[in-house]
Amino acid sequence: QKEVEQNSGPLSVPEGAIASLNCTYSDRGSQSFFWYRQYSGKSPELIMSIYSNGDKEDGRFTAQLNIASQYVSLLFSDSQPSVSATYLCAVKFPGTYKYIFGTGTRLKVLA
Amino acid sequence: GAVVSQHPSWVICKSGTSVKIECRSLDFQATTMFWYRQFPKQSLMLMATSNEGSKATYEQGVEKDKFLINHASLTLSTLTVTSAHPEDSSFYICSAREGEETQYFGPGTRLLVL
Repeated sequence: QKEVEQNSGPLSVPEGAIASLNCTYSDRGSQSFFWYRQYSGKSPELIMSIYSNGDKEDGRFTAQLNIASQYVSLLFSDSQPSVSATYLCAVKFPGTYKYIFGTGTRLKVLA
Repeated sequence: GAVVSQHPSWVICKSGTSVKIECRSLDFQATTMFWYRQFPKQSLMLMATSNEGSKATYEQGVEKDKFLINHASLTLSTLTVTSAHPEDSSFYICSAREGEETQYFGPGTRLLVL
């Protein structure tokens, strides 16, 4: 059974603090990973993709992939209230175009 | 780029009627589109994969005769919920694949069946 797991939260952090969202996956063959942001009542918005081991920075976000340990993380170095949302981790099935989504982690940045 | 639209954004209908939802890729061609359903406070559940010019592939437990999918062009896929019932009320979201890896999502359609 292919699975993607996230802590549902909420993860509450003060403004300016570091926030780390974690996601683990079960299929060792997975090679494509995505983070989506979803505001309440809205559809998901792609914010980051990562395909190779290590870190990938994009503005305020850093994605980290550890293939050996089968986890992918999303870090906010200077959290602002505007990033408060639910963050969904998605893993692409090897050999297909389908994604499996985690249940999402709700992030709350407190002003 | 990579904009996906959905229409309508919300619909209210009576039990037993059919509802059609359109998903369009506006600035790219999408040979593959996906239909998801999301219930409150739950994650996205893939319903089916829509392939241009061929039959859709449905996930286990999704009734293909109830959720009709047509992908007649590289920019349009439609989902028809036939004989809708209150338990079909949900947030229906499509996505379109651009390139080899990435899915971009439409804004979603909120369906309420009375």
